[in-house]
Amino acid sequence: GEDVEQSLFLSVREGDSSVINCTYTDSSSTYLYWYKQEPGAGLQLLTYIFSNMDMKQDQRLTVLLNKKDKHLSLRIADTQTGDSAIYFCAAPGAGTYKYIFGTGTRLKVLA
Amino acid sequence: GAGVSQSPSNKVTEKGKDVELRCDPISGHTALYWYRQSLGQGLEFLIYFQGNSAPDKSGLPSDRFSAERTGGSVSTLTIQRTQQEDSAVYLCASSKGQGETQYFGPGTRLLVL
Repeated sequence: GEDVEQSLFLSVREGDSSVINCTYTDSSSTYLYWYKQEPGAGLQLLTYIFSNMDMKQDQRLTVLLNKKDKHLSLRIADTQTGDSAIYFCAAPGAGTYKYIFGTGTRLKVLA
Repeated sequence: GAGVSQSPSNKVTEKGKDVELRCDPISGHTALYWYRQSLGQGLEFLIYFQGNSAPDKSGLPSDRFSAERTGGSVSTLTIQRTQQEDSAVYLCASSKGQGETQYFGPGTRLLVL
């Protein structure tokens, strides 16, 4: 079945760029998602990318997809303290509606 | 409604008691999902409802867990005879249809003492 992996922690200084990485196993996923979870809150959909795209940009967010290596990344430009949260990568398993989530990357932004 | 809502936001219960968690999906969304997020873990799929079809219960960890969805809208997740290992955040999500983008509620934080 689908497996999604992320590194657990990332620490950056305010104003720097953050890059959060994710690898997945099932290459048939149609969409790949990034969710943000702030402390004590649910998951907020940040952005998603269609599997036939290599890149998607949305304001400070850039998603890169390397289908060959099954690698997805989320770049946050000019990282702010408000970006401190846990970021989850999610991929639907083949032919299924079930999202498989990574363990989440905890981003800490230092002032 | 504007978003997925869940209640209660926090629940503390004693081991052995039953609890009910409620989810109100986004109006018009036919698909509804329950997930569990244990401390330091990712999200674990529990159950999926789509329209009037039989739910996919393949993620429920034991027969103490059950869920229903009345009238194709509100869903209730019930945990009977709670155990300490049931302590987690229970998240509900809904989508327009099967395979569509999922939108999450704020979750219910359950603590079993």
